[in-house]
Amino acid sequence: GAGVSQTPSNKVTEKGKYVELRCDPISGHTALYWYRQSLGQGPEFLIYFQGTGAADDSGLPNDRFFAVRPEGSVSTLKIQRTERGDSAVYLCASSLGTEGDTQYFGPGTRLTVL
Amino acid sequence: DAKTTQPPSMDCAEGRAANLPCNHSTISGNEYVYWYRQIHSQGPQYIIHGLKNNETNEMASLIITEDRKSSTLILPHATLRDTAVYYCIVRVWGANNLFFGTGTRLTVIP
Repeated sequence: GAGVSQTPSNKVTEKGKYVELRCDPISGHTALYWYRQSLGQGPEFLIYFQGTGAADDSGLPNDRFFAVRPEGSVSTLKIQRTERGDSAVYLCASSLGTEGDTQYFGPGTRLTVL
Repeated sequence: DAKTTQPPSMDCAEGRAANLPCNHSTISGNEYVYWYRQIHSQGPQYIIHGLKNNETNEMASLIITEDRKSSTLILPHATLRDTAVYYCIVRVWGANNLFFGTGTRLTVIP
């Protein structure tokens, strides 16, 4: 079946601009996660959704970052007033939503802020 | 979640077993050991997880020491496609997020 998909695969923007990154989880997965991966580092947790609500947003670095999942499926990560330090690969994962279940990752969106 | 320590890089000859070590000396009784890998330009891929017993699946085997302070991921017959960064993660059952660390870069050599 189809895995987690993310669009766009690459996004180049200028400092100060607003960007949206999209994640389509595996059908039927109620849990959705966003991670950020800087060059040479492992992924870092940003936010976790169970259904439509953000159950844990403790990893969001500041209030320029926001994510939504209005219908409990597709999620959008929104970054306002982008900074060069926001450049990274943004990864989305989904899971069945049961305790301890496996997270399946998408290919990521590479964001470059000039 | 407990911190893990892995060597930054390892090489393995194609067709040989790759043994990737991980130290997690501060692991708690309710924390599982998970392994993921990340092939270049792809998202992380789940490999295997365990609590205290050794585990095996179609991809790999996981050997956890009796005191649970360390573990080894074994790829029995490494191929060039196994070249990736391998992450050892300890995670409380039911925790929302995975803490990846920097992993071990495994290079399989022809």
